[in-house]
Amino acid sequence: KAGVTQTPRYLIKTRGQQVTLSCSPISGHRSVSWYQQTPGQGLQFLFEYFSETQRNKGNFPGRFSGRQFSNSRSEMNVSTLELGDSALYLCASSFWTALRGEQYFGPGTRLTVT
Amino acid sequence: AQTVTQSQPEMSVQEAETVTLSCTYDTSESDYYLFWYKQPPSRQMILVIRQEAYKQQNATENRFSVNFQKAAKSFSLKISDSQLGDAAMYFCAYRGPSLYNTDKLIFGTGTRLQVFP
Repeated sequence: KAGVTQTPRYLIKTRGQQVTLSCSPISGHRSVSWYQQTPGQGLQFLFEYFSETQRNKGNFPGRFSGRQFSNSRSEMNVSTLELGDSALYLCASSFWTALRGEQYFGPGTRLTVT
Repeated sequence: AQTVTQSQPEMSVQEAETVTLSCTYDTSESDYYLFWYKQPPSRQMILVIRQEAYKQQNATENRFSVNFQKAAKSFSLKISDSQLGDAAMYFCAYRGPSLYNTDKLIFGTGTRLQVFP
């Protein structure tokens, strides 16, 4: 079974631009979460989607948004990029059941804002 | 709010030896889940082991085992017979009760493990 995939793997953008990152979960997984990883702040939760609905949101400005499609693929968008948005963005998926399955992470998208 | 603390920024171990990574957490919940994730230089986050708070028995996965002390809110990871491939950043993570209806993980700051031949 293929793992979580994220595209692109690397991205360089200029301050003020916007960017869209994509995440394809493991087949059958319906829950997708996004995390931002930086040396200064560590791993921080961005948001979580289940069945095309945002189920939870972290403490990030409105410039960060996301969505989930009917096939469970998810995208996150960052508008008006700032230098501080440079980070590794990780996506994780899980097969949401009452037994609370584990989350599996993708390889991440490394975003550099110049 | 729940917090996860890893007080050891770096640890080192000789190949074939045993090392223990520490993690403490704070929560007012009685039902929750704890995880150890490994992040090698490739940056892919890999689940090492998980522990359900309602289980008294410590989880074990091959060379990896945990010491879960619920009253002390402590969750340490023991790596036995360390191998060069164990070198990575290790993150302790907390997830709340099932009734919270969320997969949100709260991570510690990580411990960088070096393995020497």
